Parts: sequence; structure tokens; C-alpha cells
Amino acid sequence: AQRVTQPEKLLSVFKGAPVELKCNYSYSGSPELFWYVQYSRQRLQLLLRHISRESIKGFTADLNKGETSFHLKKPFAQEEDSAMYYCALSNPQFYFGTGTSLTVIP
Amino acid sequence: EAGVTQSPTHLIKTRGQQATLRCPPISGHTSVYWYQQALGLGLQFLLWYDEGEERNRGNFPPRFSGRQFPNYSSELNVNALELEDSALYLCASSLIGRNTGELFFGEGSRLTVL
Repeated sequence: AQRVTQPEKLLSVFKGAPVELKCNYSYSGSPELFWYVQYSRQRLQLLLRHISRESIKGFTADLNKGETSFHLKKPFAQEEDSAMYYCALSNPQFYFGTGTSLTVIP
Repeated sequence: EAGVTQSPTHLIKTRGQQATLRCPPISGHTSVYWYQQALGLGLQFLLWYDEGEERNRGNFPPRFSGRQFPNYSSELNVNALELEDSALYLCASSLIGRNTGELFFGEGSRLTVL
């Protein structure tokens, strides 16, 4: 069965520090993986998808099939990165993790 | 920013009543997803409609139901409301139903059950 696990409910880092939000998945095929973000008082929106292999707002995410992980990383956190982050898998139905609330401390 | 426009934005009901939430997808989108976002529980999958058919439903009781109309707009109905149904209900639409594609979310309908 498909499952997306985000082990951290809450994560706090200082501004300028590196940040990594963890995501592990279980899926027998080749997954399509995404990161969605929800800023305060805004709707949930796509941050990035693994097939694009792009960096959005300084964030990157690498698919590691061996470890079945899709961690989201940013080398230098900014205050505006404070938000709720959801990892998602699509097959094509979308499965979301429980989310990680990131707080960047000034 | 792009997204669906859910209605109503807020809804207050009492236990035992019924609630109906609406979600018109973005023009051209044929897939609609419904999620429940309760405090501390993340996104719980409710229903997925694609081209008028229910493709899958999550682990919710049968009093949660819905439908998708020929114009791909969707309704979520919750019967016999219980206090724990109080949550934000999110709808999202997608252009591609059978392959992966970006989900465009609405701002949600806040349901409060008293």
C-alpha cells in the first residue's frame, strides 16, 4: 500500500541555517513525488516535483529510490520559509504525508 | 494565484444536520479531490472523482459522500453531522486524471459542528 511518512511534525531552525524536511514513502512502482507548501493564510500550493529536478525558492529535493526518501533541503533558511510542508506521492491518486510545520527563527 | 473557489467558506451546523460543500474545478480540469484537514492530523483523503466517476474513497464512514456533475463540478455531502466532523475541507482539481499532474487547491470550507 502507498504511504507517505513525514516523521517530524514540528521543525525549528535559525535563519541562515540549513534545513531538511524528511519524507519517506512506500510504493512498489516508480512514484511521482511532490512537495506542497501552505503559507499562513494562503492555500496549499505546489512547491516542487521530483520529475522537474528544479530548485524553487532555494529548495531542492532528491529522490532516493534505495532509501525510498524524498527529503526537502535548503542550504540557508529564510524567515519567509516558515510554513506547513507536505510531501505527496501520486499514482495517480495523491497521497499526502501528515505535514511538517517549519518555523525559521530570526 | 490559481486555485479552485470553494463554497461556502464557512459553515456552522448542529449535530445531526447535513452539510453540502461545493467545488467547481479550474476550467479544463476533470479530476476533483476532497480532503479533510483537521487540527494536528494533516490532510486526510476523502474522495477522488475523475470524469464524473468516483475513483476512490478514503477511510471515512458512508455518511461522507459526494458526486461530480457533467461539468466536472463536485459536491461533498456530510450527513448526520458529528462534533468531530468539524474541520477544514479542502478541494483540489487536476488537469490530468489518469497521469500525474499538479493539484490546484481551494482555500477550503470551514465546517463547525456545534
